[in-house]
Amino acid sequence: EAGVAQSPRYKIIEKRQSVAFWCNPISGHATLYWYQQILGQGPKLLIQFQNNGVVDDSQLPKDRFSAERLKGVDSTLKIQPAKLEDSAVYLCASSLARGSYEQYFGPGTRLTVT
Amino acid sequence: AQSVTQLDSQVPVFEEAPVELRCNYSSSVSVYLFWYVQYPNQGLQLLLKYLSGSTLVKGINGFEAEFNKSQTSFHLRKPSVHISDTAEYFCAVRLTGGGNKLTFGTGTQLKVEL
Repeated sequence: EAGVAQSPRYKIIEKRQSVAFWCNPISGHATLYWYQQILGQGPKLLIQFQNNGVVDDSQLPKDRFSAERLKGVDSTLKIQPAKLEDSAVYLCASSLARGSYEQYFGPGTRLTVT
Repeated sequence: AQSVTQLDSQVPVFEEAPVELRCNYSSSVSVYLFWYVQYPNQGLQLLLKYLSGSTLVKGINGFEAEFNKSQTSFHLRKPSVHISDTAEYFCAVRLTGGGNKLTFGTGTQLKVEL
């Protein structure tokens, strides 16, 4: 079974530029999560989708971050414009259903904002 | 709101020695507890979880953890570590009622030395 795929793996941009990350969850997984992991900290949930609907985006900085999951499969997370403090690893995870106990994580995208 | 504390940011240990990684949580309601491992440049992988029942939980790679409700702890243990166990370990909690948002600790870097 293929795991959660993310691209790109690394991205370096200047502040005020825009960036987008892509995630393809495990086939058949209805729930998709985006986490932000700042160096030295644990992952923090940004947004959770159930199929193509948003379940929780309470910690998403909506003035600059946006995410979509149009067909209930893959998802895109965008930052526009980026700030220095957005430098982090962005992890995508998926689970079979909203009540599932295990989340499967992708390898992450390491973003550096200069 | 729930929170997780991992007091040890780094734990050095010699190969074949036992190790304990500490995790304490705070929550006003009952929680599920998890330990994840993150190898360099990889996503998080579930090691073990406590949902209910026996307070001693066994996971993959010879790890185990014990849930202690009175001390609100969920410490991770391994009787004999290997070089390959070198990684970052994250403790996480999730409320038992509704949703599956994970709240992570700041992580403990386990470094196994020869």
